[in-house]
Amino acid sequence: AQTVTQSQPEMSVQEAETVTLSCTYDTSESDYYLFWYKQPPSRQMILVIRQEAYKQQNATENRFSVNFQKAAKSFSLKISDSQLGDAAMYFCAYKASGGSNYKLTFGKGTLLTVNP
Amino acid sequence: GAVVSQHPSRVICKSGTSVKIECRSLDFQATTMFWYRQFPKQSLMLMATSNEGSKATYEQGVEKDKFLINHASLTLSTLTVTSAHPEDSSFYICSARLNWGQGLNIQYFGAGTRLSVL
Repeated sequence: AQTVTQSQPEMSVQEAETVTLSCTYDTSESDYYLFWYKQPPSRQMILVIRQEAYKQQNATENRFSVNFQKAAKSFSLKISDSQLGDAAMYFCAYKASGGSNYKLTFGKGTLLTVNP
Repeated sequence: GAVVSQHPSRVICKSGTSVKIECRSLDFQATTMFWYRQFPKQSLMLMATSNEGSKATYEQGVEKDKFLINHASLTLSTLTVTSAHPEDSSFYICSARLNWGQGLNIQYFGAGTRLSVL
């Protein structure tokens, strides 16, 4: 079974600084998708960024970028120029590709605090 | 785009009563929706996969008769907590699957429902 590990229960960053959240996963599949979701205090889950495993290029969405290391099964999220609104719980998630299994496997989450 | 509405956002009920939670995909059709439960400061726990026009698939340990799921249309799934007890108090979140093609399926989430059973 696939597992997703987020080894940092909590992280903090100064406003305008950069922070990296770690995520590792375990799978025997060669094709899959990886996601980072953000859950702010409102508890609305928001998709931040996604990565297709077959793509070598790291995904980028404005201030958010990933470092996808397929061989190491690592998928870290970098937040640049951190803003107060970035404060949230961040979940890394894995989804197998193909077939009819659409389930997401979530990590336990990293609580990010942004200090003014 | 890809908006999922969940209603109600908060509900308080008496022990022994039933509560229905609705999950709607507003601007896309979703043949698959998911229901999660989240305990404080924890990750999401998948309860069941809701399939349009067929029975839901429940995760191990989830009581089918307590958590009734109906997915009668391509835009609506409902979760009914039957004979609710205080231990059912929790935060329930739904998501809807959007197929973007080429194998890419993304789950979009509702805002969640906080259930308190007195």
